[in-house]
Amino acid sequence: KNEVEQSPQNLTAQEGEFITINCSYSVGISALHWLQQHPGGGIVSLFMLSSGKKKHGRLIATINIQEKHSSLHITASHPRDSAVYICAVNPGGFGNEKLTFGTGTRLTIIP
Amino acid sequence: GAGVSQSPSNKVTEKGKDVELRCDPISGHTALYWYRQSLGQGLEFLIYFQGNSAPDKSGLPSDRFSAERTGGSVSTLTIQRTQQEDSAVYLCASSLDRVGYGYTFGSGTRLTVV
Repeated sequence: KNEVEQSPQNLTAQEGEFITINCSYSVGISALHWLQQHPGGGIVSLFMLSSGKKKHGRLIATINIQEKHSSLHITASHPRDSAVYICAVNPGGFGNEKLTFGTGTRLTIIP
Repeated sequence: GAGVSQSPSNKVTEKGKDVELRCDPISGHTALYWYRQSLGQGLEFLIYFQGNSAPDKSGLPSDRFSAERTGGSVSTLTIQRTQQEDSAVYLCASSLDRVGYGYTFGSGTRLTVV
């Protein structure tokens, strides 16, 4: 069992729909990251969370430390949001800088 | 520089040859990471440099893999006697300091071993 699990693996939605991608992890962490990878493109860091909620434009990320769960939400989705979204964690206490990654969620937004 | 720069962007090499992949992190970023993304698989950690500390090499898959970081800036990942299973996208990332400042990723080097 992976330390970081994402769901769904694939998600197709119509433009404008509200999108939720989930991430569960099984170890203690110091931080959780949401990353975006466009086809053939590099990786962009969207959020880093250790508690609570963060918002950037149409993107919202939440984390529940007690439940070891995080969600990434996209409001008013657009075709340019189509990408692979990757959840990653820094396992253990502070000082562990290595990332452990989920396998990603492939999001496709249809116009 | 403005971002993390990796070169080459693509590399095709024959099995058994050595390759060098380069990463130029954001100026001032003291932490540098190498990750690998194999086809159909997720990302995996390879090696981590932080300032002048000894690197964390715990993710290197075999002794054919090595990396160095000169002057706390540019890093080179070397793969000796390449094998087909080494084919992957090799990603470099840097961060300002330790966890807490987020990561900036390079666009990667796609390595194909034929």
